[in-house]
Amino acid sequence: GESVGLHLPTLSVQEGDNSIINCAYSNSASDYFIWYKQESGKGPQFIIDIRSNMDKRQGQRVTVLLNKTVKHLSLQIAATQPGDSAVYFCAENEGNTGNQFYFGTGTSLTVIP
Amino acid sequence: KAGVTQTPRYLIKTRGQQVTLSCSPISGHRSVSWYQQTPGQGLQFLFEYFSETQRNKGNFPGRFSGRQFSNSRSEMNVSTLELGDSALYLCASSLIQGGNTEAFFGQGTRLTVV
Repeated sequence: GESVGLHLPTLSVQEGDNSIINCAYSNSASDYFIWYKQESGKGPQFIIDIRSNMDKRQGQRVTVLLNKTVKHLSLQIAATQPGDSAVYFCAENEGNTGNQFYFGTGTSLTVIP
Repeated sequence: KAGVTQTPRYLIKTRGQQVTLSCSPISGHRSVSWYQQTPGQGLQFLFEYFSETQRNKGNFPGRFSGRQFSNSRSEMNVSTLELGDSALYLCASSLIQGGNTEAFFGQGTRLTVV
């Protein structure tokens, strides 16, 4: 089966600092990745995605980096705010399997005011 | 544009009963996937429906089933409920079925089996 894991289960950062959340995956055939944010009592919220033909993609305050050589994905959040406190998941998809995603275990981000 | 809507938000059922959960995807989206989320196993794929047909299925017993209607709305059913079925059930909506496409989640249905 697929294995998508996170390096750290919890992360605490000071408000205003940058956050980096990491994710390792094992399926070299995975070609599409999404980062999700999940707040307590809510469903996962789409943050940003990246396809395997790219190694970097930027959104508003977020950047995703993909290193296919070592099968590693990271999410960088700039100027972290208290509202960023949540659990973050990476999810991978192998295009020819339809919309089936494999999720990492999640990293809990706590922003300290 | 309305998001993914799941009903009900909360359910309490007794072991041995059956339950039906509903998901309305984003307007225009034709693919609906279901996931089970538990503290111990995380998010696990149940199945995906597109054009009223099951396209993919995860590693769950036959007690878990689903269907999709012509308007893309989907239901999932769990029969003979077990205590271990207690979980947050999430529905994800995608525009197309071919993979490599964004998936948007609903708020989920929290099922508690007692």
